[in-house]
Amino acid sequence: DIVMTQSPDSLPVSLGERATINCKSSQSVLYSSNNVNYLAWYQQKPGQPPKLLIYWASTRESGVPDRFSGSGSGTDFTLTISSLQAEDVAVYYCQQYYTPLYTFGQGTKLEIK
Amino acid sequence: EVQLLQSGGGLIQPGGSLRLSCAASGFSFSNHAMSWVRQAPGKGLEWVSGISGSGGSTYYADSVKGRFTISRDNSMKILYLQMHGLTAEDTALYYCARDHGRQFLRWFDPWGQGTLVTVSS
Repeated sequence: DIVMTQSPDSLPVSLGERATINCKSSQSVLYSSNNVNYLAWYQQKPGQPPKLLIYWASTRESGVPDRFSGSGSGTDFTLTISSLQAEDVAVYYCQQYYTPLYTFGQGTKLEIK
Repeated sequence: EVQLLQSGGGLIQPGGSLRLSCAASGFSFSNHAMSWVRQAPGKGLEWVSGISGSGGSTYYADSVKGRFTISRDNSMKILYLQMHGLTAEDTALYYCARDHGRQFLRWFDPWGQGTLVTVSS
């Protein structure tokens, strides 16, 4: 199975500042046939199911604010929130869908400093 | 509106069995693979099982293989998870989730509201 490792586990950030969450996969999730990274990012707020933010590593889901962006390729990926808002406090997960045995990162808890 | 409405959770004794259901609406159910994802109390997300749009292909996490069975009724637009041999380690909030594609290898959107399974004597 592909192991997904996020860092850090917890991230305190001041309002209006940039937040950066990293995700590393144990093997590449880049499909050579189409040169696309099979990686998604989700946001989960307390008491709610996860919400899709980003797919194909960098494509923002419709309705997601443009302060959220995804980058990276192969085994190393980043979710960036350019200017933290209070409503962004949540746990963020990366997920690989390169194989049908999907796996998630352990989550990064984003909080206000 | 795309919706996934879950039911079937509850308190079950160790070694017991339980079946979860996820009723879909607002989209062509058979055109999407579906998965179950669980979240133990205070923990992260763990993918449990997936099934293709036709039901012809299924996958399981090692932690549940041989004990859980995923299935679907495309005529009724319902996804199931039959669970046997439950242990305390299976205690979690179970989510159903729609795969963006028909044959896996896509992201999840949307997710059901979750149903709690508690395994305890």
